[in-house]
Amino acid sequence: DAGITQSPRHKVTETGTPVTLRCHQTENHRYMYWYRQDPGHGLRLIHYSYGVKDTDKGEVSDGYSVSRSKTEDFLLTLESATSSQTSVYFCATSPWGAGGTDTQYFGPGTRLTVL
Amino acid sequence: DAKTTQPNSMESNEEEPVHLPCNHSTISGTDYIHWYRQLPSQGPEYVIHGLTSNVNNRMASLAIAEDRKSSTLILHRATLRDAAVYYCILRRRDDKIIFGKGTRLHILP
Repeated sequence: DAGITQSPRHKVTETGTPVTLRCHQTENHRYMYWYRQDPGHGLRLIHYSYGVKDTDKGEVSDGYSVSRSKTEDFLLTLESATSSQTSVYFCATSPWGAGGTDTQYFGPGTRLTVL
Repeated sequence: DAKTTQPNSMESNEEEPVHLPCNHSTISGTDYIHWYRQLPSQGPEYVIHGLTSNVNNRMASLAIAEDRKSSTLILHRATLRDAAVYYCILRRRDDKIIFGKGTRLHILP
């Protein structure tokens, strides 16, 4: 399994405050992803990265920004957290990003509560 | 996007085989069939994938219908640790993974 860690694992914050979640991988995978998971919605892609400094939006990117300055780290930032961003956030990596045989490896998740 | 249809939930007894079905009638010739599962309070994990032929690995087997419009994930001997949500996903060459709602598998002791 790819070594993927997420920090923090749990966070409680207040509406309007900035929040940064970190994903760190040790597998040198080119692609990294941020998902959120909410009851009734399953996993939804927020942003992804296909290389250092190369990122793109997913299906639910509003209110989120990302940065990737090193292959191993992918940061997700909520500039001004809202209660609707209360969720469980998962980071994932994959070697190729596309293609029928590409598989994703997921981190343990971060539970974020915005009060 | 190619779509899959799975039952919302299934139950099985411990130590018995489990067959998880997936329908994908709009599959194209180059779509791979992938299965992931998500254990409680964990991130999803890859289980298996295939294109046309049946596939086996240490976790499960994947049986693909001859017309490829359906597939079945087989857990040969379910344990309580196999209780999870199982996702059937079609992967196309240039598409990102799209997770549906999956099948919640309950294992009865």
